[in-house]
Amino acid sequence: SQTIHQWPATLVQPVGSPLSLECTVEGTSNPNLYWYRQAAGRGLQLLFYSVGIGQISSEVPQNLSASRPQDRQFILSSKKLLLSDSGFYLCAWGAGAAYNEQFFGPGTRLTVL
Amino acid sequence: GQQVMQIPQYQHVQEGEDFTTYCNSSTTLSNIQWYKQRPGGHPVFLIQLVKSGEVKKQKRLTFQFGEAKKNSSLHITATQTTDVGTYFCAAPPQGGSEKLVFGKGTKLTVNP
Repeated sequence: SQTIHQWPATLVQPVGSPLSLECTVEGTSNPNLYWYRQAAGRGLQLLFYSVGIGQISSEVPQNLSASRPQDRQFILSSKKLLLSDSGFYLCAWGAGAAYNEQFFGPGTRLTVL
Repeated sequence: GQQVMQIPQYQHVQEGEDFTTYCNSSTTLSNIQWYKQRPGGHPVFLIQLVKSGEVKKQKRLTFQFGEAKKNSSLHITATQTTDVGTYFCAAPPQGGSEKLVFGKGTKLTVNP
């Protein structure tokens, strides 16, 4: 069966510090991968998605970036965090076929102080 | 871009009452999906509807896709405290894509 891992579960970082969040998927190959951000009590904002190694589509211009160095690894990064980067970061994968549902990881709660 | 409008934003019910959330689009949808996010948790896929007028049931949950494939609803019969959470609808953007456009969600609270 497929599983998706995200770490860390919680993170508190000072403004201006770098960020690296990692997501890995097991039990599937060539998945579509997604990074979402969810502000407290709000909806899901798609940040990046990838349909293959090295292929990144950015949805929202901001100080975040994403990379996919391996088929089942998706990394979200920032060189300098802003207060507004606080939120719940969710990684998800999809099978890549038509009408595919998405499966979410447990998420990382990021607080920027 | 395509938007999926979801109402209501919040719904508070007494345990045992029914609950319905609605999802509307100005464009025809190829399919629509529903997700549930428990408090403090991550969204979990519930179901996908593809056919015009389709109705699917999961125990006390009934999902419908409109005849014109522009709207959908999720109805919960006799809510329980375990139904608490935020329910999202989601659909691929017009023209097809690997992405999903999510509604803003309906947050359900149940008073025991």
